[in-house]
Amino acid sequence: AQSVTQLDSQVPVFEEAPVELRCNYSSSVSVYLFWYVQYPNQGLQLLLKYLSGSTLVESINGFEAEFNKSQTSFHLRKPSVHISDTAEYFCAVSTNTGNQFYFGTGTSLTVIP
Amino acid sequence: DAMVIQNPRYQVTQFGKPVTLSCSQTLNHNVMYWYQQKSSQAPKLLFHYYDKDFNNEADTPDNFQSRRPNTSFCFLDIRSPGLGDAAMYLCATSLRHGILYEQYFGPGTRLTVT
Repeated sequence: AQSVTQLDSQVPVFEEAPVELRCNYSSSVSVYLFWYVQYPNQGLQLLLKYLSGSTLVESINGFEAEFNKSQTSFHLRKPSVHISDTAEYFCAVSTNTGNQFYFGTGTSLTVIP
Repeated sequence: DAMVIQNPRYQVTQFGKPVTLSCSQTLNHNVMYWYQQKSSQAPKLLFHYYDKDFNNEADTPDNFQSRRPNTSFCFLDIRSPGLGDAAMYLCATSLRHGILYEQYFGPGTRLTVT
């Protein structure tokens, strides 16, 4: 079975500071990895995904995540956060043998002015 | 804008009183999903429809049912809500079923059971 662990439930960070949101997974088969973002009072939106190829994936708003197979991690990073990045971030994993997403419990990112 | 709409955003029901949550989409997607998200927990898939084909997750309680009368609408029926059913319920859609197809989520309905 697959599982996803997001170690930090809450991450406060000052504006323009770097941030890393951690995600680890467990799986005995090949995985596909996703980060979703949920802004206040909105639904989840896909931020970025790793399916194959380059292990470093980027989003259009400056976030990036790197798939590390040996460490079974897919941490999300941004070198300089903005107030508008305040949101809940969910890591998710799926496999090539199933069509279901397994979500982590989420990390609440709060950017402090 | 094409979107996924959930009504109501907040729903209060009494213990044991049937309740229906609604989801509609303007994306014309084939697949619609229902997730349950309890406080501080990950979203958990309850079931999904691929067109008219209903697919129930193995551990979804019988208390939860779903209807999809047409492509645009999907309903979640909770026949006898218990206190443990209080949660955020998320509806999502995708063009087809599979991890290669992005899921588009609605804003959710927060259910309170009194």
